[in-house]
Amino acid sequence: KQEVTQIPAALSVPEGENLVLNCSFTDSAIYNLQWFRQDPGKGLTSLLLIQSSQREQTSGRLNASLDKSSGRSTLYIAASQPGDSATYLCAVYNNAGNMLTFGGGTRLMVKP
Amino acid sequence: NAGVMQNPRHLVRRRGQEARLRCSPMKGHSHVYWYRQLPEEGLKFMVYLQKENIIDESGMPKERFSAEFPKEGPSILRIQQVVRGDSAAYFCASSQPGTPTGELFFGEGSRLTVL
Repeated sequence: KQEVTQIPAALSVPEGENLVLNCSFTDSAIYNLQWFRQDPGKGLTSLLLIQSSQREQTSGRLNASLDKSSGRSTLYIAASQPGDSATYLCAVYNNAGNMLTFGGGTRLMVKP
Repeated sequence: NAGVMQNPRHLVRRRGQEARLRCSPMKGHSHVYWYRQLPEEGLKFMVYLQKENIIDESGMPKERFSAEFPKEGPSILRIQQVVRGDSAAYFCASSQPGTPTGELFFGEGSRLTVL
């Protein structure tokens, strides 16, 4: 059974810092990995999708990497801003099975 | 191109009543997933449907919960005889047909409160 873990569970940083969010998964037989953002009381916004054959994806100040063999992904946020404050969720889609399995999320607070 | 539409956004029910949550997938998407997010917890898979078929319901509670995705109209998640523990945010996601290598797109969620 796939298990996804995100570390840290919460993070508070001053504005302007570069930061790294970590995600690990136990079963490396995945189709893809997605990073999402969730604001309080809101839905999920897809940030980046990495297919199993890819090593990384970039969008603006965000960069996500994938090391499938070791079961790890990182989300790098450059020059953080208060508007980046949200919960960031990592999820993997297994080869076997029919769903995304989510981690518990990292709750990020960027202080002005 | 509208995104995944869920309604109602907020629903209040008393214990023992029924709750019906609706989800219209993105245009061209024929795969629908339902997830539940309990307060202060992560998202848990409930059920995966294609048009007129339940593909995987391994995350659905065995009693009181059912889901459908008819040929016409939205997908419906139905909770009978609700209890306080059913209070949660219910999210629907959709993806394109074919092999599951595409992105899932999520709706804004339906927040159920059971009094």
